[in-house]
Amino acid sequence: DTAVSQTPKYLVTQMGNDKSIKCEQNLGHDTMYWYKQDSKKFLKIMFSYNNKELIINETVPNRFSPKSPDKAHLNLHINSLELGDSAVYFCASSYGQGVFGNTIYFGEGSWLTVV
Amino acid sequence: GDSVTQMEGPVTLSEEAFLTINCTYTATGYPSLFWYVQYPGEGLQLLLKATKADDKGSNKGFEATYRKETTSFHLEKGSVQVSDSAVYFCALSDGSGNTGKLIFGQGTTLQVKP
Repeated sequence: DTAVSQTPKYLVTQMGNDKSIKCEQNLGHDTMYWYKQDSKKFLKIMFSYNNKELIINETVPNRFSPKSPDKAHLNLHINSLELGDSAVYFCASSYGQGVFGNTIYFGEGSWLTVV
Repeated sequence: GDSVTQMEGPVTLSEEAFLTINCTYTATGYPSLFWYVQYPGEGLQLLLKATKADDKGSNKGFEATYRKETTSFHLEKGSVQVSDSAVYFCALSDGSGNTGKLIFGQGTTLQVKP
């Protein structure tokens, strides 16, 4: 059984479109994250939610809006897509905001290509 | 702010060679340290972790020791296999323990040739 699952895995879309990436975790974790991996494979956190409350927002453009309907889901909606949004987006989850070394588990990634 | 620095890649080795990937960090507080691995076309998998100084994390023949005095967490494996070819990421968690976010190094690509 997949612990952290994201859909879609691959997404090709045109500039200016609006798209969403969905994420679900079945680990019973209370904290979920979105990370972005750029073309040079550099990984950086975008958002984190703890029990549906926004904890981290790392200066991400307003076009990116996370939504957490419950603590098992964290979706990422992107408006007015730009070429620079092309990246791999990873969803992740953990217990207790990952404190004290609690492991953060990642999904398999969503490869977004904006053309 | 907190940061992680890894050795530049790619690292190219022959099968059964000894592997070391260097990782050093800068952090306030007491971070936990992690190695994640990304196989081609796949997501991130936790390889090993250490939560306090002198802890050794180990998994699948890989190991790394949390060295506070040298602020390092070097990854080692005694005998690599072709299947170990991947990108390896060193990471630390927020040392203050308040946010839990991971700060990653830039990744090191390992290529193992038969």
